[in-house]
Amino acid sequence: QVRLQQWGAGLLKPSETLSLTCGVHGATLNSHYWTWIRQAPGQGLEWIGDIDDTGNTHYNPALRSRASVSVDTSANQFSLRLTSVSAADTAVYFCARSTYSFVGGSPHNWVDPWGQGILVTVSA
Amino acid sequence: DIQMTQSPSSLSAFVGDRVTITCRATQNIYNYVNWYQQKPGQAPKLLVYAASNLQSGVPSRFSGSGSGTDFTLTISSLQREDFATYYCQQSYSTPLYTFGQGTKLEI
Repeated sequence: QVRLQQWGAGLLKPSETLSLTCGVHGATLNSHYWTWIRQAPGQGLEWIGDIDDTGNTHYNPALRSRASVSVDTSANQFSLRLTSVSAADTAVYFCARSTYSFVGGSPHNWVDPWGQGILVTVSA
Repeated sequence: DIQMTQSPSSLSAFVGDRVTITCRATQNIYNYVNWYQQKPGQAPKLLVYAASNLQSGVPSRFSGSGSGTDFTLTISSLQREDFATYYCQQSYSTPLYTFGQGTKLEI
């Protein structure tokens, strides 16, 4: 069974850089995309970006200038950096696996499983 | 960007009820919709992918349907453990896979 365990700093000051890492257990990084999604307090879900084991990435256009996702295949983990954070970046950050597969002859993707989530608070 | 609008935003129901949650996209997304369940303090869990395919291990009382712009998640007979918030997600428009705002299902 695939399990994702994430860690990183939970309290940042404005303008600092958010840095989170997600360790993958029970699977290698091959053949999937590895994803970061966040949820502001009491709000819905926002896709940040993802990466595959070769380093191909996709980013939410609204965050592309500040977000960076990287992968470390030797450690079987992937990471998120988000620069110049502000209070608007306060959220629970989830790592997750994105599966890309053919369904009925067409390529689809979905997110499963997810990490436990980390609350990152940005406050002066 | 493709926007996903869920209705209702919240819903009260009884154990044993049949419940339907709707998700509408701002453009044709064929069957590129996934559904997730989130309980308080937990990460979301995948229920349905590609509009109508039940994820392994998910009880058969859950089902998804729809295509184009209108999609539904149905719970045929609510169980106590089903009270949660449900999200739809479009997976058509890469790289921005937007989610609906959520439907909170309460006892």
